[in-house]
Amino acid sequence: SYELTQPPSVSVSPGQTARITCSADALPKQYAYWYQQKPGQAPVLVIYKDSERPSGIPERFSGSSSGTTVTLTISGVQAEDEADYYCQSADSSGTYLWVFGGGTKLTVL
Amino acid sequence: QVQLQESGPGLVKPSETLSLTCTVSGGSISSYYWSWIRQPPGKGLEWIGYIHYSGSTNYNPSLKSRVTMSVDTSKNQFSLKLSSVTAADTALYFCARSDHYYDSSGYDYWGQGTLVTVSS
Repeated sequence: SYELTQPPSVSVSPGQTARITCSADALPKQYAYWYQQKPGQAPVLVIYKDSERPSGIPERFSGSSSGTTVTLTISGVQAEDEADYYCQSADSSGTYLWVFGGGTKLTVL
Repeated sequence: QVQLQESGPGLVKPSETLSLTCTVSGGSISSYYWSWIRQPPGKGLEWIGYIHYSGSTNYNPSLKSRVTMSVDTSKNQFSLKLSSVTAADTALYFCARSDHYYDSSGYDYWGQGTLVTVSS
């Protein structure tokens, strides 16, 4: 089965830059999406198509892609950014099966 | 503003069928892809599958033998049935919308989620 690999946790101090990675073989061929989920809430889309930011999402959230790894970057991290972050993509076999990464807990120290 | 609302029993007995409905308000169910995603307590998100308003579907292979999705455009609703449930199916179930199955703009609207517990 197709899998997206994320680090379980990332910690940063307020004002620093957080980088969360997501790796998989098909990522050079398929777009990646990033979701933020706070406790007790539904996920919120923060990045789509590798690097596009939906309206209403702060500019400090950005996405990039390089080979088999995509990265969510949060510049000038704020306490409110503490949450779980999930990447999502599809396999490249033509079956368009979607999958989520295991999630990364971002802790703001 | 588009809103999604899941509904259905919060408790299902083992071996029975879980049935959930997602009602879409503030927009049409047409022209979009509608997904079910679940999250076991304390764990990550799992994609269950999607259905197009036309009725075409695509399911997670790990659940495919037990999953059926349907859509009712007249009611602006779509549904999930998961058969032969076990405790491993206990989860928060979300419904969500995307504009395409390929190169989409992502899941832009989500329901609040409904907790389904499988227990006798």
